[in-house]
Amino acid sequence: NAGVTQTPKFQVLKTGQSMTLQCAQDMNHNSMYWYRQDPGMGLRLIYYSASEGTTDKGEVPNGYNVSRLNKREFSLRLESAAPSQTSVYFCAASRGLGNYGYTFGSGTRLTVV
Amino acid sequence: QQQVKQSPQSLIVQKGGIPIINCAYENTAFDYFPWYQQFPGKGPALLIAIRPDVSEKKEGRFTISFNKSAKQFSLHIMDSQPGDSATYFCAASSGTDKLIFGTGTRLQVFP
Repeated sequence: NAGVTQTPKFQVLKTGQSMTLQCAQDMNHNSMYWYRQDPGMGLRLIYYSASEGTTDKGEVPNGYNVSRLNKREFSLRLESAAPSQTSVYFCAASRGLGNYGYTFGSGTRLTVV
Repeated sequence: QQQVKQSPQSLIVQKGGIPIINCAYENTAFDYFPWYQQFPGKGPALLIAIRPDVSEKKEGRFTISFNKSAKQFSLHIMDSQPGDSATYFCAASSGTDKLIFGTGTRLQVFP
């Protein structure tokens, strides 16, 4: 089992370009999450989906949109990339909200120039 | 009240030492306290977790100590090894809400 798969692993964008980060899980989990990780800032939640068909804002949602395409897939879109969005992005999945462990993907390293 | 405060930000120990990472919380509704380990270039992975009905949990060389009255919990790594060098995150959640993560501790274990 792959767990949580993120694509691409690396991406360089020019300011103003758009892109979609893909995430898929094969664990039949209900909840999925997008985080960004910056040096000294820990993991900051961008958006999450408690279950198929629902999405909610996290701590830092500005400049991002998400789509829970089905139970397996949760994508993150940058409509107009900015240098401040240079970061490492992680997708995670869990059985549900609350007292369940999260399984993280291996991350996407995004650089906006 | 939703924050989880983690310290120290970084920690350097020699092989065989016992690094201790501390976390504190305010929300008394939190009832699940996991720790995650992250190696460079990888995503965080669940290491060990505790619920407030016990004061200590051990898994191999990793131990969580939990102090409910002080609203604190800590991770101890016994006989630390260079392979334990990683970033460690504490977290907490309550009921049906999402995890709240600490800001992470970068641990370096030197031979």
